[in-house]
Amino acid sequence: RKEVEQDPGPFNVPEGATVAFNCTYSNSASQSFFWYRQDCRKEPKLLMSVYSSGNEDGRFTAQLNRASQYISLLIRDSKLSDSATYLCVVPIKAAGNKLTFGGGTRVLVKP
Amino acid sequence: DTGVSQDPRHKITKRGQNVTFRCDPISEHNRLYWYRQTLGQGPEFLTYFQNEAQLEKSRLLSDRFSAERPKGSFSTLEIQRTEQGDSAMYLCASSSRLAGEIRGTGELFFGEGSRLTVL
Repeated sequence: RKEVEQDPGPFNVPEGATVAFNCTYSNSASQSFFWYRQDCRKEPKLLMSVYSSGNEDGRFTAQLNRASQYISLLIRDSKLSDSATYLCVVPIKAAGNKLTFGGGTRVLVKP
Repeated sequence: DTGVSQDPRHKITKRGQNVTFRCDPISEHNRLYWYRQTLGQGPEFLTYFQNEAQLEKSRLLSDRFSAERPKGSFSTLEIQRTEQGDSAMYLCASSSRLAGEIRGTGELFFGEGSRLTVL
């Protein structure tokens, strides 16, 4: 099993709609989690950190479910500019807390 | 520009040649990471430096790969005897906190990457 797994998508989302997707992780000792955003042919950039049960930042909400070992990202009122790949990132404690990236979930927001 | 810079941005080489990439991190960051990313995949961890010490190296990194950070500032990643499977985007990132520390964001600041094509 991969350490961090994501549905690759793409999720085709009408502008203004809500989209949500999950990321599962295998290391139960992980304490903090991150969502990064990567635009086409660009470098990844931090979107949100998740330390406890969840975090909200404007239209973006990240939730953590430790029992089932997954985190989710929800985007409300989707904008065309939200089209990107969303990378789930988990520090693997047994590996010196190196940040391990999932394969990414591609989101396409269409007018 | 005070972000992470990488050079060259693009490199095309023939199989069997050696290539070297350079990364200049954000100046106050003492941690530096190298990742590799192929199309449709997330970045894969290669190696990590804290100052000049290489603290971790992925099992993905064969002995053809070597990385250095001689003075704790810029870093180089060398690939010897390149193979077609080495074709990828090589991303460098830096941070001021250990990734995953509870009190820190663990935010990695990435450079724009060095794209390698091995013919």
